[in-house]
Amino acid sequence: AQSVSQHNHHVILSEAASLELGCNYSYGGTVNLFWYVQYPGQHLQLLLKYFSGDPLVKGIKGFEAEFIKSKFSFNLRKPSVQWSDTAEYFCAVPTLGANNLFFGTGTRLTVIP
Amino acid sequence: DAGVIQSPRHEVTEMGQEVTLRCKPISGHDYLFWYRQTMMRGLELLIYFNNNVPIDDSGMPEDRFSAKMPNASFSTLKIQPSEPRDSAVYFCASSLNRQSRWTEAFFGQGTRLTVV
Repeated sequence: AQSVSQHNHHVILSEAASLELGCNYSYGGTVNLFWYVQYPGQHLQLLLKYFSGDPLVKGIKGFEAEFIKSKFSFNLRKPSVQWSDTAEYFCAVPTLGANNLFFGTGTRLTVIP
Repeated sequence: DAGVIQSPRHEVTEMGQEVTLRCKPISGHDYLFWYRQTMMRGLELLIYFNNNVPIDDSGMPEDRFSAKMPNASFSTLKIQPSEPRDSAVYFCASSLNRQSRWTEAFFGQGTRLTVV
């Protein structure tokens, strides 16, 4: 079954540092991938999504992710983080044969001013 | 559209009491999901509906949990009787499946449940 794994549980960065959060998916045919963000005390919001086409996907707030099929990866990047990026980030993939989203365990990002 | 609306936002109840969480999906969406989020277990899918019909309830922890979707604009998640370990944030989400392709899921603000 399709699933994703996020190996970084907690990342701490200073403002202006570059960010890369890992997401690996299990193989399963057509791949649709999502990154969601959850700001403290809030609900999940979509950051970006990949369905097909250009493997470099640009999302909101300066985030981007690159789909690398050979590595089964969909890492999230941002060249320069801000304090307001402090949040939890979830990678997700639709489950094969079902119509629901499988979420990774999440990566907590703390940005220090 | 107001988005996915959940109520209440916060619920504090005593162990053994019945708790009902409510969700209004985005109009026109044909999928509705109930998730539970805890520090220990992260985000877990409890159950989801397609066109008001429960499709997969394998994530429902035990018989104390039940969910209904009597119509396209309303769903409930009930816990009876509630226990302290049910304390969590419960999210409802909805989505529209176009031509068997997944679009994004839109989440409600969540209900923070505390069972004392």
